[in-house]
Amino acid sequence: KAGVTQTPRYLIKTRGQQVTLSCSPISGHRSVSWYQQTPGQGLQFLFEYFSETQRNKGNFPGRFSGRQFSNSRSEMNVSTLELGDSALYLCASSLAKTSGGNTGELFFGEGSRLTVL
Amino acid sequence: TQLLEQSPQFLSIQEGENLTVYCNSSSVFSSLQWYRQEPGEGPVLLVTVVTGGEVKKLKRLTFQFGDARKDSSLHITAAQPGDTGLYLCAGNAGGTSYGKLTFGQGTILTVHP
Repeated sequence: KAGVTQTPRYLIKTRGQQVTLSCSPISGHRSVSWYQQTPGQGLQFLFEYFSETQRNKGNFPGRFSGRQFSNSRSEMNVSTLELGDSALYLCASSLAKTSGGNTGELFFGEGSRLTVL
Repeated sequence: TQLLEQSPQFLSIQEGENLTVYCNSSSVFSSLQWYRQEPGEGPVLLVTVVTGGEVKKLKRLTFQFGDARKDSSLHITAAQPGDTGLYLCAGNAGGTSYGKLTFGQGTILTVHP
């Protein structure tokens, strides 16, 4: 069973540019979440998508956005990049059974390392 | 806002020693997970604890969930160099927050041969 796949793995951008990151969840997983990881702040929740709808959102500015497609694949976009956006962006998928019994277990991809110059 | 305080932040020990990592919060969590992350990779789930007072063992790793479901601990017996990595605790508030976890700051463990 393939794991969570994120592309690209590494990218370098300059301030003011925008970036789009892609995530393919584990087959059958309907929930996709995005996290930002930095040395200073650790792992911080960005947003979660379920059935193409944003269900939860973290405390990030509107420059950070995302979407989910009908096949559960997800993208996140960061516009007007700032130096502080340099981070490892992690995507995670979960089964999210609507019948209940969810324990919040997430399966992470290897991340997209963004460097903003 | 739910917060998870993880300690210690850094741990450097010799092979064969025992260690414990703590994760504390003033909030109640529906479940709590422990992850391990190696450089250049994403976190990998080690265990999920759901019931207050629950204890789970994974080979040399023992995980405990506090009775009030506000805290947890990870104990490693006879640590090995292969245990080196970043250990993260993460709490889930439950409900429809399937993918929203609150993470602790992490514990960087280094086990010297």
